[in-house]
Amino acid sequence: DQQVKQNSPSLSVQEGRISILNCDYTNSMFDYFLWYKKYPAEGPTFLISISSIKDKNEDGRFTVFLNKSAKHLSLHIVPSQPGDSAVYFCAASAMYSGAGSYQLTFGKGTKLSVIP
Amino acid sequence: EPEVTQTPSHQVTQMGQEVILRCVPISNHLYFYWYRQILGQKVEFLVSFYNNEISEKSEIFDDQFSVERPDGSNFTLKIRSTKLEDSAMYFCASTDGYNEQFFGPGTRLTVL
Repeated sequence: DQQVKQNSPSLSVQEGRISILNCDYTNSMFDYFLWYKKYPAEGPTFLISISSIKDKNEDGRFTVFLNKSAKHLSLHIVPSQPGDSAVYFCAASAMYSGAGSYQLTFGKGTKLSVIP
Repeated sequence: EPEVTQTPSHQVTQMGQEVILRCVPISNHLYFYWYRQILGQKVEFLVSFYNNEISEKSEIFDDQFSVERPDGSNFTLKIRSTKLEDSAMYFCASTDGYNEQFFGPGTRLTVL
């Protein structure tokens, strides 16, 4: 039961170009979405989030877009840098699913390689 | 910058043995979580903990698992009788309830 799907297991991008990572979800209860970056043997590191009342959130080189009608979000990284090479996880939460929870449902991840 | 810490970084145990994984969440956070990632698979939710009790748990979190906050700083995950399929990276996370969850570096559990 994949409630959060990242259909591209890997992506290669030239340094300086835009990286676009995609994520789809099926659960209409999700109302808070996050992107995490993960290096091998480390825990996920928070990058950027967006709530369902917005369609765009920007933080420096990172922008997340949310299309609620399509149940789709994407992460744009501009410009891409070699240090961005990592696995990127999309995650979703139903903030009001239950008191004191906010459990995250993760996608399988997309491995981004930024080529110098 | 405050961070979530976990110990040990790697735990090797024999099948059937009990293990305790430890976490120190960020000090002003109120919500605590355990997730796990089996090699090559996605990160999966195990359990959430708030106000000194479990608030939600997944199907994975069966009677062999338990969590505890024994004092004001530690948050532990106990597996009573480990199975081979419990081998995974276990991540602790915490949040103040308004913002993102912060994850620890993980404990790699290897069950032989």
